Amino acid sequence: DIRMTQSPASLSASLGETVNIECLASEDIYSDLAWYQQKPGKSPQLLIYNANSLQNGVPSRFSGSGSGTQYSLKINSLQSEDVATYFCQQYNNYPLTFGSGTKLEIK
Amino acid sequence: EVQLVESGGGLVQPGRSMKLSCAASGFTFSNYGMAWVRQAPTKGLEWVATISYDGSSTYYRDSVKGRFTISRDNAKSTLYLQMNSLRSEDTATYYCTRDSYWFAYWGQGTLVTVSS
Repeated sequence: DIRMTQSPASLSASLGETVNIECLASEDIYSDLAWYQQKPGKSPQLLIYNANSLQNGVPSRFSGSGSGTQYSLKINSLQSEDVATYFCQQYNNYPLTFGSGTKLEIK
Repeated sequence: EVQLVESGGGLVQPGRSMKLSCAASGFTFSNYGMAWVRQAPTKGLEWVATISYDGSSTYYRDSVKGRFTISRDNAKSTLYLQMNSLRSEDTATYYCTRDSYWFAYWGQGTLVTVSS
């Protein structure tokens, strides 16, 4: 199984700040990576697929990058509505696997 | 508007069975692979099973293989998850999702609690 190591586990940042969340795959996943946002009590929402493609309707302050085994999600100009837990997911191989999540709070 | 509405969750005893349903609307159901993803209370996301657009191919995580069966009825635009021999570790909110690889749409989830 491909293991997805996500960091940090939690993050506190100020409004307007830029934050980065990292995801490290245990083997090359060839950019087969998605990012999700899950707000408290809600279903996850797709933000990014194919490592850097923005899902329709997602604000442009979200961006994804990376290749091989290393990927990151960047949030520019942090807004209060960005408080959520963020997950990465690889779909290069079955079983599909998720990172353990990054809980983002406002400082 | 894409809608996925799960049903069938609840409290079930260990070793018993339960069948989840997901009613899909707002898109051509028969054109898309579908999947179930679960989330144990206060835990992360865990992929459970995927079915191809026509039902000809299915994939499962090892811990549910032989116990769970994913299926679909394209005429009814409905996805199913038959869960047998349930264990306490299957306790989770089960989400119906669209697409086979990344998950663009999610239902609201249905909670399955396995407990005596």
